[in-house]
Amino acid sequence: AQSVTQPDIHITVSEGASLELRCNYSYGATPYLFWYVQSPGQGLQLLLKYFSGDTLVQGIKGFEAEFKRSQSSFNLRKPSVHWSDAAEYFCAVAPDNYGQNFVFGPGTRLSVLP
Amino acid sequence: NAGVTQTPKFQVLKTGQSMTLQCAQDMNHEYMSWYRQDPGMGLRLIHYSVGAGITDQGEVPNGYNVSRSTTEDFPLRLLSAAPSQTSVYFCASSSRTTREETQYFGPGTRLLVL
Repeated sequence: AQSVTQPDIHITVSEGASLELRCNYSYGATPYLFWYVQSPGQGLQLLLKYFSGDTLVQGIKGFEAEFKRSQSSFNLRKPSVHWSDAAEYFCAVAPDNYGQNFVFGPGTRLSVLP
Repeated sequence: NAGVTQTPKFQVLKTGQSMTLQCAQDMNHEYMSWYRQDPGMGLRLIHYSVGAGITDQGEVPNGYNVSRSTTEDFPLRLLSAAPSQTSVYFCASSSRTTREETQYFGPGTRLLVL
C-alpha cells in the first residue's frame, strides 16, 4: 500500500531564512506527487505537483520541490521564508489505481519567527 | 464561482445524534470526496464519488454514509455520532478522476462529538 511520511512534525524558522520540508513516499510505480498548504482555519491549497519530466518543479508563492527517485523523496523548499508562510504543509501521492484518492502525509507545521 | 462550499463551519453533537455535513461545488466537477483530518494523521479518505449516482468507500468509511443525487452536492451523513468522529471534515472536488487533475478543497467543517 502507498504511504507518505513527513518526518518533521513541527519546524520553526526565522523570517528570511531558507526552508526545506521533507517528504518520503512508499510507492511501487511512478508516483504522482503533490504539496498542499493549509493556513489556519482554511482549506487546502495546491502549491505544486510532479508527474514526470524535470525533477525540479516550481509552484506558487515561491516554493519549489525536487523529486528524487533514488531516495523516494519529494522535498519542498523556499529560499526565503515570509511570515505569511506559517501554515501546515501536506505532501500527498496519487495512486494509479484510482487517481484522485490521494494518500496524504501527516503534515508539517511551520512556524515563522519575526 | 464559489468553488467548494461546506456547511456548517462548526457543529457540536451529543453521542448518538445524527447529522448531515453539506458539500456543494459549482464547477460541474465529476469527482467529489470527503476526508477527515486528525492531528498527526493528515487527511484520510472517507468516501468518494465519480459522478451522480456513483459512490464508493475510502480508507475510513465506517460510521458514515454518502449519496450523490446531483453533480453539485455530496452530503456526508453521520447516523449515530461517536466521540471518535470528532474531527475536521474536508470536502474536495476535481473535474476528472485522472491523477493529473487538481483537487479543490472546501474550508472544512469542525465537528465535536461529546
